[in-house]
Amino acid sequence: DTAVSQTPKYLVTQMGNDKSIKCEQNLGHDTMYWYKQDSKKFLKIMFSYNNKELIINETVPNRFSPKSPDKAHLNLHINSLELGDSAVYFCASSPDLVDQPQHFGDGTRLSIL
Amino acid sequence: SQKIEQNSEALNIQEGKTATLTCNYTNYSPAYLQWYRQDPGRGPVFLLLIRENEKEKRKERLKVTFDTTLKQSLFHITASQPADSATYLCALGIDYKLSFGAGTTVTVRA
Repeated sequence: DTAVSQTPKYLVTQMGNDKSIKCEQNLGHDTMYWYKQDSKKFLKIMFSYNNKELIINETVPNRFSPKSPDKAHLNLHINSLELGDSAVYFCASSPDLVDQPQHFGDGTRLSIL
Repeated sequence: SQKIEQNSEALNIQEGKTATLTCNYTNYSPAYLQWYRQDPGRGPVFLLLIRENEKEKRKERLKVTFDTTLKQSLFHITASQPADSATYLCALGIDYKLSFGAGTTVTVRA
């Protein structure tokens, strides 16, 4: 049973398109996150949700819009994709907001042509 | 400006030896610090968490220390094995979020 699962695993698309990435966790956690890992391997927080409420929005362009339909799901929609959006996007979850280990999915590799 | 530096992008070590990784930070006051392991093509996997009032934590062959005066954490893998080869990330816990270092890639030679 995969604890944090993301789909799709790979996403190759043209500049200007709109795409979505889905994430589901079956751990019963209250908090979910989106991270971006660029080519230099830095992992940076984008958003976090706690019980479906947006907690962190880290200076991310408003082309990125997260949505949490319930505690177990956090999706990421990206409008008007740009070359600089090429990266690996990781979803993660934790039992609560603070002082907790995070469980990561295996990432979605987004390539913009 | 705030910085998290994991010195040595890469560390090569002989099997059986102890690997020591360093995480230094500036202009942060983390309440806790975590270490993760990341294998190629996979997400990070949590290893250890240490809080600001703790000096040392151990888990099997892993040990982490946290010195808030030096603003440094050391991560040790004792009796290293080829299966320990991976990238290790430190992450500072501040204000509901984790800020990650760039990682150190460890290669254990048989």
